[in-house]
Amino acid sequence: QVQLQESGPGLVQPSETLSLTCSVSGGSISRYHWSWIRQPPGKGLEWIGYIFYTGSTNYKPSLKSRVSISVDKSTNQFSLNLGSVTAADTAVYYCARLSENNYSFKDWGQGTLVTVSS
Amino acid sequence: ENVLTQSPGTLSLSPGERATLSCRASQSVVSNYLAWYQERPGQGPRLLIYGASRRATGIPDRFSGSGSGTDFTLTISRLEPEDFAVYYCQQFGGSPPITFGGGTRVEIK
Repeated sequence: QVQLQESGPGLVQPSETLSLTCSVSGGSISRYHWSWIRQPPGKGLEWIGYIFYTGSTNYKPSLKSRVSISVDKSTNQFSLNLGSVTAADTAVYYCARLSENNYSFKDWGQGTLVTVSS
Repeated sequence: ENVLTQSPGTLSLSPGERATLSCRASQSVVSNYLAWYQERPGQGPRLLIYGASRRATGIPDRFSGSGSGTDFTLTISRLEPEDFAVYYCQQFGGSPPITFGGGTRVEIK
């Protein structure tokens, strides 16, 4: 079981880029698939995208034009960048490990609240 | 998109009672890649069931999953106080590859 921890600004200005990092411990980032998921206040879970250990990525279509996920093997971290944010992007953002066997999310970070406001 | 519809939206039950939660997919779920999660207030989601019916490590056996194709069920045989929470289903496959259901809240009656 790996441990994950999100980090990044808690407040982002409208139209700016939201950038978060997920630090992975207890395992090599090169061995697994990784994903970002968010939850707006009082709402359900929304998948944002994933990156496979091969480097292949896939994003939710409605976010695809604004989002990118990348891996930094040297630091055992992966990152989320979401551009042109609006208040609708205010949410708790989770990083998670996507199982390569059954495509469920076994390991989750604790989540970090990002508020988009001026 | 494979839309997951969870019902009911809220389930009001007493401790010790049986809870039956439904997750219906708009398209057949590939290889039964269907998972269930529990979310307690102030906590992140916890994986309960994967592969439609396999309990994740450390999950009590009062939790069970069943179903295939488009209809899936999460059953909690006897509700404990810590089971009152929100439950989500999630599938993998199609385009986009990952979707979540809207959630079912299990509340104390």
